[in-house]
Amino acid sequence: GENVEQHPSTLSVQEGDSAVIKCTYSDSASNYFPWYKQELGKGPQLIIDIRSNVGEKKDQRIAVTLNKTAKHFSLHITETQPEDSAVYFCAASPDTGFQKLVFGTGTRLLVSP
Amino acid sequence: NAGVMQNPRHLVRRRGQEARLRCSPMKGHSHVYWYRQLPEEGLKFMVYLQKENIIDESGMPKERFSAEFPKEGPSILRIQQVVRGDSAAYFCASSPLGQGGTEAFFGQGTRLTVV
Repeated sequence: GENVEQHPSTLSVQEGDSAVIKCTYSDSASNYFPWYKQELGKGPQLIIDIRSNVGEKKDQRIAVTLNKTAKHFSLHITETQPEDSAVYFCAASPDTGFQKLVFGTGTRLLVSP
Repeated sequence: NAGVMQNPRHLVRRRGQEARLRCSPMKGHSHVYWYRQLPEEGLKFMVYLQKENIIDESGMPKERFSAEFPKEGPSILRIQQVVRGDSAAYFCASSPLGQGGTEAFFGQGTRLTVV
């Protein structure tokens, strides 16, 4: 089955810096890669996703890149703000249903003012 | 439009008791997914239900755990004879789409503590 590894487990940056979180996956059949943000005491919220027919996708300050050959994908947050502080999860799926999503172990991002 | 509602938010049970976790999906959503999150770990899929049907329970422990989504009312995740290892955050998500749909919305979770 699919296995998703996520690094780093914690990331501290200064406000205004960029943050990068990386994930690798094992199943070459996976072709859907979402990223979730989980704030303290809340459920995960989808912030961006990418499918395997696209190499990069941007939405304002966040972007995701995908390298299918190397089986890794990354989340990039530019001009970080304190409200970006949260736990971020990557996930991978063979795109046959939400229940097939396999999640990484999460990255705790702390943005200091 | 209210989001996915889970209750209770926090639940404390003694070893051997039963825990009942409730999830009301978003309006118009008829598909519910339950996940478990252990401390410092990612979410692990447990079960996928449609109204009155269990579609996929491949992530559910074989014993003590059960789930239902009746025609009326919320989805229920039931854990019988709880043990310390059941302590975790349990999240449900709902979706308007069925098989093949990849987006769902999570509730705020129920944090179960077994003492």
